Amino acid sequence: QKEVEQNSGPLSVPEGAIASLNCTYSDRGSQSFFWYRQYSGKSPELIMSIYSNGDKEDGRFTAQLNKASQYVSLLIRDSQPSDSATYLCAVFLSGGYQKVTFGTGTKLQVIP
Amino acid sequence: DVKVTQSSRYLVKRTGEKVFLECVQDMDHENMFWYRQDPGLGLRLIYFSYDVKMKEKGDIPEGYSVSREKKERFSLILESASTNQTSMYLCASSSQVGEWGNQPQHFGDGTRLSIL
Repeated sequence: QKEVEQNSGPLSVPEGAIASLNCTYSDRGSQSFFWYRQYSGKSPELIMSIYSNGDKEDGRFTAQLNKASQYVSLLIRDSQPSDSATYLCAVFLSGGYQKVTFGTGTKLQVIP
Repeated sequence: DVKVTQSSRYLVKRTGEKVFLECVQDMDHENMFWYRQDPGLGLRLIYFSYDVKMKEKGDIPEGYSVSREKKERFSLILESASTNQTSMYLCASSSQVGEWGNQPQHFGDGTRLSIL
């Protein structure tokens, strides 16, 4: 089982719709969770950090964390074509070797 | 804003060459990281450093070494470049305020390295 799993996509949504991106992780002790956006040929750019159960909103983005079920999600409201990118989930795993582990990313396509 | 600067956007080298990739951050971050990113494999950690002259192996350190002589600079060295080291290389930094790992990493623009 991979430590951090994401559906590779592509996830296609029409412009103006809500895009829902999901990520599951294996380490129940994980404490810090991050979402990055990566445009093709560019480097990852931090969108959101979340540390506590529940929702965290920032503009059109909402991160949701459920530690009991070991998943974190990112909702993008009013999706725009400029949101088309690969979204990476990153999790700080608490076991021995302390490092952030990245999922392989979900490719989002917003159709005009 | 955090600024992480990688010395080259594109680099072409030959097999057997010793290759240096440089990374500089301007936010006085304690932690610095080197990743490579390949299609379908995601980001893989090569080495990281949590202090000057300190280094820790990541998931794929073979064929690489690093140097951190100053806090703001972290260098990745390919000792004898091989074609399977053709990849996108990403440098990142993070602060160590609070618990280790609680602070997000900030990335440079990346270096696309081709080994011929």
